[in-house]
Amino acid sequence: GAVVSQHPSWVICKSGTSVKIECRSLDFQATTMFWYRQFPKQSLMLMATSNEGSKATYEQGVEKDKFLINHASLTLSTLTVTSAHPEDSSFYICSARSQYTQYFGPGTRLTVL
Amino acid sequence: GQQVMQIPQYQHVQEGEDFTTYCNSSTTLSNIQWYKQRPGGHPVFLIQLVKSGEVKKQKRLTFQFGEAKKNSSLHITATQTTDVGTYFCAGASNDYKLSFGAGTTVTVRA
Repeated sequence: GAVVSQHPSWVICKSGTSVKIECRSLDFQATTMFWYRQFPKQSLMLMATSNEGSKATYEQGVEKDKFLINHASLTLSTLTVTSAHPEDSSFYICSARSQYTQYFGPGTRLTVL
Repeated sequence: GQQVMQIPQYQHVQEGEDFTTYCNSSTTLSNIQWYKQRPGGHPVFLIQLVKSGEVKKQKRLTFQFGEAKKNSSLHITATQTTDVGTYFCAGASNDYKLSFGAGTTVTVRA
């Protein structure tokens, strides 16, 4: 099946710093990528839809100025968590759409101290 | 917005037994997808159901999509220890967004 990578796989940062997470589709082009957040023992919550060449669409309750999304090419989307705080600690997962199927990246575990 | 409810949240199964997890959407879906997530891992795509009343099988797993395209089920027969994990259903709308159910976390006792 299609392969999606994420980098880094885990990151620990100090409160107030910004963290960038990359999501790449390795063997297909994805005009649409999605960013999810998953807290421990909870389901995946869609944060935003990233469209190549246009602005991301954010779900209700997700601050677009805090979670900056850039979809610069058909194979790369980035999520930047700005001024991170401990409550932003979570598992961030991206997915890339290929036709009707979404392929998920391995996730990035963010811990904010 | 679209909501997908999934039950049960936890399923503790004796090895060899069968179990079923159910999903119900508040709206009609374009398709429903099922994923499995192992502890510490990421969701792995299992299957997609598109047609009303569709039934698909993958070895010991049987997936069903309701006639109204609002509910779905996953039935696992003869549960094995390799079936441990959380199974999520995800309902897709016409804009390809997925709404995930809460997941059913399966543990198996030998």
